[in-house]
Amino acid sequence: AQSVTQPDIHITVSEGASLELRCNYSYGATPYLFWYVQSPGQGLQLLLKYFSGDTLVQGIKGFEAEFKRSQSSFNLRKPSVHWSDAAEYFCAAEMDSSYKLIFGSGTRLLVRP
Amino acid sequence: GAVVSQHPSRVICKSGTSVKIECRSLDFQATTMFWYRQFPKQSLMLMATSNEGSKATYEQGVEKDKFLINHASLTLSTLTVTSAHPEDSSFYICSARGQEASYEQYFGPGTRLTVT
Repeated sequence: AQSVTQPDIHITVSEGASLELRCNYSYGATPYLFWYVQSPGQGLQLLLKYFSGDTLVQGIKGFEAEFKRSQSSFNLRKPSVHWSDAAEYFCAAEMDSSYKLIFGSGTRLLVRP
Repeated sequence: GAVVSQHPSRVICKSGTSVKIECRSLDFQATTMFWYRQFPKQSLMLMATSNEGSKATYEQGVEKDKFLINHASLTLSTLTVTSAHPEDSSFYICSARGQEASYEQYFGPGTRLTVT
């Protein structure tokens, strides 16, 4: 079945530390992949996306993600986390031509001062 | 960038009444709009896909007679929750996709519905 998995429900990092949020997908081909961030009570903001080409994708707010076909993964990274990065992060995939997005369950990022 | 708005941002209604939520694409034409529902501390679940001028396509388990979706123009889609009950209380988010092949959906800020 087509699915997106975010294995970490919560992650806590210290401000200034590096961050990696995991995302795996299950699909017979390479989907279009997205990372979104959601602040409490807000909609979703697109951080970055991968369609094809270079497997290392740069996004907004200093985020990047790397697509690894062999691992069916699209992990999100940031070298130095800021307190304002505390939010819920969702990985999503578009797996067919229906334009529907399948979301992972989300990872809540907490930032220690 | 493309902007999607939702109105109202918050609504409280009494059980048994109906409530309408609007989703507008402000600076682009949205050929396809999506409606999601998000329970507290959970992910987004797609409810339905609507294409301008066509009937909405509902996901399995979503009652189409309860959640009426209309996509009457290229900039407006509405979700009407009919005969609302407390279990319909949730955060409803819409997204819109334009005509260009950018493979991106633009999300609205969401509507918090509370049914008392």
